[in-house]
Amino acid sequence: NAGVTQTPKFQVLKTGQSMTLQCAQDMNHNSMYWYRQDPGMGLRLIYYSASEGTTDKGEVPNGYNVSRLNKREFSLRLESAAPSQTSVYFCASSEAQRPGHNQPQHFGDGTRLSIL
Amino acid sequence: QKEVEQNSGPLSVPEGAIASLNCTYSDRGSQSFFWYRQYSGKSPELIMFIYSNGDKEDGRFTAQLNKASQYVSLLIRDSQPSDSATYLCAVIRGTGGFKTIFGAGTRLFVKA
Repeated sequence: NAGVTQTPKFQVLKTGQSMTLQCAQDMNHNSMYWYRQDPGMGLRLIYYSASEGTTDKGEVPNGYNVSRLNKREFSLRLESAAPSQTSVYFCASSEAQRPGHNQPQHFGDGTRLSIL
Repeated sequence: QKEVEQNSGPLSVPEGAIASLNCTYSDRGSQSFFWYRQYSGKSPELIMFIYSNGDKEDGRFTAQLNKASQYVSLLIRDSQPSDSATYLCAVIRGTGGFKTIFGAGTRLFVKA
């Protein structure tokens, strides 16, 4: 049972390059999330998708775009990478959130991204 | 003021002691509260969740919630060196699409 799978695990980019981080989950979860984690900052939500066909901005969406390709897959794109986007990126998924039934999130192993 | 605040630590306790980790949050409408453990270089994994005021116990772990004081804590009894990790407090807001907000985490070091 793979859970949440992220690719790639490591990537080095030059400033201005673009790339897409891939995420897939096999738990039939409705909701998916992208976070970045920087030292001393904890996890910050970039974008999330409450259900297939919807996406919403999180705390730090600038410089990123997302696509919810289907129920399983949620990708994060950096159109023009900047050194400030050097971080560890985590994808997560959960069952649908609703009042009184908030669900924990399951995380992928992360992508370590360095932008020079 | 951060929406979810934790003492960054490190919190150092001897093996076998009780480790007490604390978290405060600012949104009074927050509904659900989670504790995740994150080992260095790894992804967060769920330890406990709590929805109602009071205590919730699971093995060596106890989560405590006080909504009036906007305070949630995690107690780890009989701490082991394998408990050494960063513990993240996470809160789901009551409004705004049920976003999960994470604290910056508390580093725990259990000395053998």
